[in-house]
Amino acid sequence: GAVVSQHPSWVICKSGTSVKIECRSLDFQATTMFWYRQFPKQSLMLMATSNEGSKATYEQGVEKDKFLINHASLTLSTLTVTSAHPEDSSFYICSARLGTGANTGELFFGEGSRLTVL
Amino acid sequence: GNSVTQMEGPVTLSEEAFLTINCTYTATGYPSLFWYVQYPGEGLQLLLKATKADDKGSNKGFEATYRKETTSFHLEKGSVQVSDSAVYFCALTYTGTASKLTFGTGTRLQVTL
Repeated sequence: GAVVSQHPSWVICKSGTSVKIECRSLDFQATTMFWYRQFPKQSLMLMATSNEGSKATYEQGVEKDKFLINHASLTLSTLTVTSAHPEDSSFYICSARLGTGANTGELFFGEGSRLTVL
Repeated sequence: GNSVTQMEGPVTLSEEAFLTINCTYTATGYPSLFWYVQYPGEGLQLLLKATKADDKGSNKGFEATYRKETTSFHLEKGSVQVSDSAVYFCALTYTGTASKLTFGTGTRLQVTL
């Protein structure tokens, strides 16, 4: 149980275009999802916290108009990289926490989506 | 604020060698501690966890003990395999609906024959 799936797993796009990445919790409801960006030297940076039915909370330094996050249902959050540029090329990972109530702190991660902007 | 410090990698070991990856943390109170593993080309997956002082988390031959007195959660394995080659992340959080996970920078382990 507690499977999180991302799509697409990799995407190549032209500079200036927008790309949407989906994150789904397949067998549980996730009121909270997190989006991370992983840089080539492996460090994981939290970009934003996505709460179902409300606006995402962005970490300091993350452009909310650049990285649009929508969490319209309890099983789906999307990250849209708008007007992508080569410096946005990265590995984006989503994670989800089991529902509300007892929270053990454990997160379940998607497989990641590798974005390459030409 | 909270932070997690891991030993820098990469760590290169021969198969069947003993592994230790150090992790220390800075936090108030009693956070929960985790080790996540990321295999090549994949997302992170939980390896083990401990939620209170002196707890020992274990999984797949890996172990880590929550040491409050030294604020540490070192990862150990008695005999590594080539298939253990991955990046290992130490992390902490507080249980509660608004808690975020704070990660260390990750330690790459490479196991050779």
